[in-house]
Amino acid sequence: GDSVTQMEGPVTLSEEAFLTINCTYTATGYPSLFWYVQYPGEGLQLLLKATKADDKGSNKGFEATYRKETTSFHLEKGSVQVSDSAVYFCALSDTGANSKLTFGKGITLSVRP
Amino acid sequence: DGGITQSPKYLFRKEGQNVTLSCEQNLNHDAMYWYRQDPGQGLRLIYYSQIVNDFQKGDIAEGYSVSREKKESFPLTVTSAQKNPTAFYLCASSAGHPTQETQYFGPGTRLLVL
Repeated sequence: GDSVTQMEGPVTLSEEAFLTINCTYTATGYPSLFWYVQYPGEGLQLLLKATKADDKGSNKGFEATYRKETTSFHLEKGSVQVSDSAVYFCALSDTGANSKLTFGKGITLSVRP
Repeated sequence: DGGITQSPKYLFRKEGQNVTLSCEQNLNHDAMYWYRQDPGQGLRLIYYSQIVNDFQKGDIAEGYSVSREKKESFPLTVTSAQKNPTAFYLCASSAGHPTQETQYFGPGTRLLVL
């Protein structure tokens, strides 16, 4: 079945540091890939997405590129801010599975001033 | 403003009691979903509905029930059969079409057992 694997956390960075959060996936079809962000005590917000191989999703300085050859969708940001502190979830939606999302376990990012 | 609302924000359940969590959306979405979030486990799908009067079990449906009598509403009942109900519950919706599969989430309900 479909699965998403995220790197182990938590991650703690200083403000303006470079961020990479790894995500790899297993899917039987041609999935769309997503990054969601969850701020403390809130629901999830869509951060970015990519629907086909080599697509790059981007939003708020975050980027991720859909790499079919390595089945990866790593999240990057060149300079993190304290306000980026949150939990980040990688997810996939297999086009043959009624739009159900499969989530990774999430990773907590803390950014120090 | 279009969006998804969940109520209440906090809910307390006594032993043997059924409780119902509300989820309403005004996005005109066909599909709605319920997830359970536990620390360190990500989100797990409880039930989903792709159209009014139809719903399917997700990965952890035991001890839960749902209904979908109206397009905008998808309430979740946590029954007394759910022995470990303490969790954060998230409702989501999507247009339900293969090319519009992005899910939008509500703010969540935290359920605690007394």
